[in-house]
Amino acid sequence: AQKVTQAQTEISVVEKEDVTLDCVYETRDTTYYLFWYKQPPSGELVFLIRRNSFDEQNEISGRYSWNFQKSTSSFNFTITASQVVDSAVYFCALSSNNAGNMLTFGGGTRLMVKP
Amino acid sequence: GAGVSQSPSNKVTEKGKDVELRCDPISGHTALYWYRQSLGQGLEFLIYFQGNSAPDKSGLPSDRFSAERTGGSVSTLTIQRTQQEDSAVYLCASSSRTSGKTYEQYFGPGTRLTVT
Repeated sequence: AQKVTQAQTEISVVEKEDVTLDCVYETRDTTYYLFWYKQPPSGELVFLIRRNSFDEQNEISGRYSWNFQKSTSSFNFTITASQVVDSAVYFCALSSNNAGNMLTFGGGTRLMVKP
Repeated sequence: GAGVSQSPSNKVTEKGKDVELRCDPISGHTALYWYRQSLGQGLEFLIYFQGNSAPDKSGLPSDRFSAERTGGSVSTLTIQRTQQEDSAVYLCASSSRTSGKTYEQYFGPGTRLTVT
């Protein structure tokens, strides 16, 4: 069975602080995919990033960066210089071909960025 | 281009009634998924359609739930004899998928179902 754990249920920061959202996953598959989604107050899930299990390169996109470490089964997400518009619930998710390609989601981390 | 659309955006129904929820995936996407999001259970997978293959129904919580996908495009999720525990936001997602490759799923705005 696949499992995703986001231990931080809620994080509150002040604008311009850096913040890291943790994600730990479990899977028996050797080929799998990891995702991050953002769910702002409007409710729609917005895709942020997909990583393949065979590509451990970290990725940076503007103020966002992702650290994928197979050795610790983690896929952490860092927002640099946070802004109020980053306030949302962030979900980490996992899928694999052997498990039918559906997404297994973590419980989500609610990020509140205060001005 | 247009994203995933869902209708209705909100649905209030009485316990015991049947409901139908509709999803229009992104044009050209062969894979379509249904999930639901509720306070107690988080985001749960319900059912998955890929091309003309038989759907993966492994996430459906009971036989009151069913879904179909007509012509490889639009999908309808039907809940019969609704119960209060069915109250949730039902999310549809679609993705491109070719053999051996997995792509990101794009989600619709959801249908908020309230069973009174």
